[in-house]
Amino acid sequence: GAGVSQSPSNKVTEKGKDVELRCDPISGHTALYWYRQSLGQGLEFLIYFQGNSAPDKSGLPSDRFSAERTGGSVSTLTIQRTQQEDSAVYLCASSLVGTGDEQYFGPGTRLTVT
Amino acid sequence: GQNIDQPTEMTATEGAIVQINCTYQTSGFNGLFWYQQHAGEAPTFLSYNVLDGLEEKGRFSSFLSRSKGYSYLLLKELQMKDSASYLCAVYTNAGKSTFGDGTTLTVKP
Repeated sequence: GAGVSQSPSNKVTEKGKDVELRCDPISGHTALYWYRQSLGQGLEFLIYFQGNSAPDKSGLPSDRFSAERTGGSVSTLTIQRTQQEDSAVYLCASSLVGTGDEQYFGPGTRLTVT
Repeated sequence: GQNIDQPTEMTATEGAIVQINCTYQTSGFNGLFWYQQHAGEAPTFLSYNVLDGLEEKGRFSSFLSRSKGYSYLLLKELQMKDSASYLCAVYTNAGKSTFGDGTTLTVKP
């Protein structure tokens, strides 16, 4: 079956512009996660959705970052007024239930802010 | 807050055994994951430990001691394709997953 998909795969944007990243989780997965990974670093947790609700938004780096999920499926991560330090690979993962079960990762979106 | 420590790099020989350690300090611990990540690819699931003890899955085993805040991933009969980054991640009852910075394992002939 289809895995987690993310779009775009690559995004180059100018500093100060807004970007929107999309994640399509595996069908039927109720939990969805966003992470950020800088070159050579581990994964930085950003936000977690259970259904359409995000119980914990404390991982978002600043108020320029926001995320939403509609219909218990697709999620978008929006970064406003991008900065160079936002450059990273943004990974999305989904899991069936969310209570510690295996997370399946998408291929990621590589964001470069020039 | 949560703190996860694992060695940055390790080197081992093809056919050998290697143990990658992970220590953590966290509140609301719910379980510990190990993921494998090849360069330029997304992480893939290896194991999940909730209870103390050893979980064996083929060439890979994972151990957890909740009282010590300690886990290890054991890789046996190393193959060249095992060269990758191994990520330790703690899952809390708030739904948050916190990852360590990963251990880059290089397997040499």
